[in-house]
Amino acid sequence: DIVMTQSPDSLSVSLGERATINCKSSQSVLYSSNNKDYLAWYQQKPGQPPKLLIYWASTREPGVPDRFSGSGSGTEFTLTISSLQAEDVAVYFCQQYYIPPPTFGGGTTVEIK
Amino acid sequence: QVQLQESGPGLVKPSETLSLTCTVSGGSSTRYYWSWIRQSPGKGLEWIGYAYDTGSTDYNPSLKSRVTISVDTSKRQFSLKLSSVTAADTAVYYCARGRVARNPFFDSWGQGTLVTVSS
Repeated sequence: DIVMTQSPDSLSVSLGERATINCKSSQSVLYSSNNKDYLAWYQQKPGQPPKLLIYWASTREPGVPDRFSGSGSGTEFTLTISSLQAEDVAVYFCQQYYIPPPTFGGGTTVEIK
Repeated sequence: QVQLQESGPGLVKPSETLSLTCTVSGGSSTRYYWSWIRQSPGKGLEWIGYAYDTGSTDYNPSLKSRVTISVDTSKRQFSLKLSSVTAADTAVYYCARGRVARNPFFDSWGQGTLVTVSS
């Protein structure tokens, strides 16, 4: 299985500041035939299911605020929240869907400083 | 807007079979991977498997010997059966709609149901 490793485990960010979450895969999730990275990001708030934010590493799901952005390729990826809002307090997960079985990172908790 | 809702027992005895159903409302029910995913403090998010609307299935190899997922498109339901459960199968179980790619990513999730394995 591809192992997804997120860092940090948690971070505290002031309102309006930038939050950066990293995700590393144990092997590349870039498919050379279409030049797409098979990487998604999710947000999970307490007591709720995960919510899809980004897929293909950088494509925002409709309705997701543009302060959320994804970048990276191959084995290293980043989710950036450009200006943290109170409603962004949550756990964030990455997921690869390149090689079966689909696997998730362990999660990064984002809190307000 | 698609909505998914899990239903089934919240308590299952060890060695018995866990059975859950997911009912889909709204949205399209074709050309998606209808999936089950579980979440536990110890193992995080774990994909269990999916059934495509043609009836084809794929399962996580770690659970494959114990899992059956089936879909009934006429009822807009899909189901999970996990046999020979142990305490390690205690988790919140989510049903989810997977978009078609080499493997799925999940654009809609049910609220989740906690299943506890205990005698």
